[in-house]
Amino acid sequence: DAGITQSPRYKITETGRQVTLMCHQTWSHSYMFWYRQDLGHGLRLIYYSAAADITDKGEVPDGYVVSRSKTENFPLTLESATRSQTSVYFCASRGVAAYGYTFGSGTRLTVV
Amino acid sequence: TQLLEQSPQFLSIQEGENLTVYCNSSSVFSSLQWYRQEPGEGPVLLVTVVTGGEVKKLKRLTFQFGDARKDSSLHITAAQPGDTGLYLCAGARTGTASKLTFGTGTRLQVTL
Repeated sequence: DAGITQSPRYKITETGRQVTLMCHQTWSHSYMFWYRQDLGHGLRLIYYSAAADITDKGEVPDGYVVSRSKTENFPLTLESATRSQTSVYFCASRGVAAYGYTFGSGTRLTVV
Repeated sequence: TQLLEQSPQFLSIQEGENLTVYCNSSSVFSSLQWYRQEPGEGPVLLVTVVTGGEVKKLKRLTFQFGDARKDSSLHITAAQPGDTGLYLCAGARTGTASKLTFGTGTRLQVTL
């Protein structure tokens, strides 16, 4: 199916473990983004990518790593999860000529 | 620092009432978007405004971009229960068109 999909939808992990959140889009959009959504903070940009092999930091990048070897995939890795990284994570994409983002359904991550 | 302030944060109204949500900033934006988010889902784009003073209508929703491109408003006429959700404004600052900054959101509940 066309669209942007995130996996898993829910994840519980322990402090200190590495965890990877997946994002896949089928439109060949150039731009992809990772946001986290927390009460009182809204949506904050973690990392973004303008094309394959081009990534850059957003507002809150510490503790996260991204890669983009293929246009359609943009995984987000928490190298050593901390409780402060408990959040809902959203992936989004945007075409070059478009303004609006298309968001995935999110991954709810709990770090215990 | 939150670049985009939304007000009110919460709004509970009855079906048929009118309402206005505001999105304000001290920064100038090249474009501004409004999204609606329902529980357990990602935000969905409603509209993009790009010209100062621009007004766009989407059925019962009217969006306005301020003349100075620092603020925006969303007016809903005759609200319906289906309008319930979290409304988010998001702006792209000049020179950073690929990255959106989101407001903290307005949670709207429309009851029968």
